[in-house]
Amino acid sequence: DAMVIQNPRYQVTQFGKPVTLSCSQTLNHNVMYWYQQKSSQAPKLLFHYYDKDFNNEADTPDNFQSRRPNTSFCFLDIRSPGLGDAAMYLCATARGSSTDTQYFGPGTRLTVL
Amino acid sequence: AQSVTQLDSQVPVFEEAPVELRCNYSSSVSVYLFWYVQYPNQGLQLLLKYLSGSTLVKGINGFEAEFNKSQTSFHLRKPSVHISDTAEYFCAVILGRGGTSYGKLTFGQGTILTVHP
Repeated sequence: DAMVIQNPRYQVTQFGKPVTLSCSQTLNHNVMYWYQQKSSQAPKLLFHYYDKDFNNEADTPDNFQSRRPNTSFCFLDIRSPGLGDAAMYLCATARGSSTDTQYFGPGTRLTVL
Repeated sequence: AQSVTQLDSQVPVFEEAPVELRCNYSSSVSVYLFWYVQYPNQGLQLLLKYLSGSTLVKGINGFEAEFNKSQTSFHLRKPSVHISDTAEYFCAVILGRGGTSYGKLTFGQGTILTVHP
């Protein structure tokens, strides 16, 4: 089945130690999104790629970076995780139009010790 | 700026009872409206969306929602819920053309629906 896959499902890192979260898709969608969802809060868009074009939200901290080496993969890099970065990180994909359905992966739960 | 308000953080109901999850939005431009469901330890799944046309939208799993422009609402309803409907439900909006955040999906705070036997 075509799907959005996130690895790992659970990630534990230490304060200040860089971490990379992975997302892959078999849907061949043009757009890939990264959301941050803190406990009991709504998902919040961090940034998205339309093909190779990167679009950063204005309030996304510089600590968060992203890479999209090809259509299928997208990575979220947290350069120096703080305790406040503990959250569920959701990857989503969409075909291309802004109103196309976004398909979400299962998420990666990040714990910062 | 656009915002989405889900009026109830938690809604407990008994199995086979009807349910309504409320969602209001604020925007000075046209909007596209969505309801997503999130089961425990899973990603979000689209239930239904309103883009244009008929204001009553039917989705998966027997859910429907009605877009009410005058009341800026998009409430989600199901006439008879099942235990398996227990999950968190998110209302979300995307601004139409002319807004400052075209294409950005903004979520409400979520409503936890718990269906009791």
